[in-house]
Amino acid sequence: EVQLVESGGGLVQPGGSLRLSCAASGFTFSSYWMSWVRQAPGKGLEWVANINQDGSEKNYVDSVKGRFTISRDNAENSLFLQMNSLRVEDTAVYYCAAGAIFDYWGQGTLVTVSS
Amino acid sequence: DIQMTQSPSAMSASVGDRVTITCRASQDISNYLAWFQQKPGKVPKRLIYAASSLQSGVPSRFSGSGSGTEFTLTISSLQPEDFATYYCLQHNSYPLTFGGGTKVEIK
Repeated sequence: EVQLVESGGGLVQPGGSLRLSCAASGFTFSSYWMSWVRQAPGKGLEWVANINQDGSEKNYVDSVKGRFTISRDNAENSLFLQMNSLRVEDTAVYYCAAGAIFDYWGQGTLVTVSS
Repeated sequence: DIQMTQSPSAMSASVGDRVTITCRASQDISNYLAWFQQKPGKVPKRLIYAASSLQSGVPSRFSGSGSGTEFTLTISSLQPEDFATYYCLQHNSYPLTFGGGTKVEIK
């Protein structure tokens, strides 16, 4: 059974940092593109970033470029999102998704940026 | 960036109704389009990929069509479990972009 389990969310002040993790199991993690997708409270879906199978290609939405960094550890079947210089508008549930077009999704982790 | 415009943004329908949701891309995306369903408090689920290919396990009452800039998701006979919000996604170019969503509610 495919499982994606996010962790690392929480409450942080504007300008602060958080590191999200996603633990994958039940599929060959190293064969999949991986993404982070977020959803602000009561709003729609927004793709944030993705990374290719060996980590050599990374793409970001403009609003997070220079602030967020996606990475992966294929030996540990894990995906990460380092989030720096957080803004109030980054408040959202952050989902980890596997596959170039999001075949599998985790349950999400809530990030709240507030003073 | 490619803008994805969904219509309607919300609709009311009855069980058994035929429902059509449209997604328009601001430029040609060929067939690089997927449809997702999200129920309240739940994780999105992919229904359709490559504009018209049905995801394994998804009921055949769901279908997708279109190419280029105009796409549709059709539910041939709406069932109680289909009341949800639907999103299109273009993956032709970065940044990947979702439509704003269509909320299908019970009439």
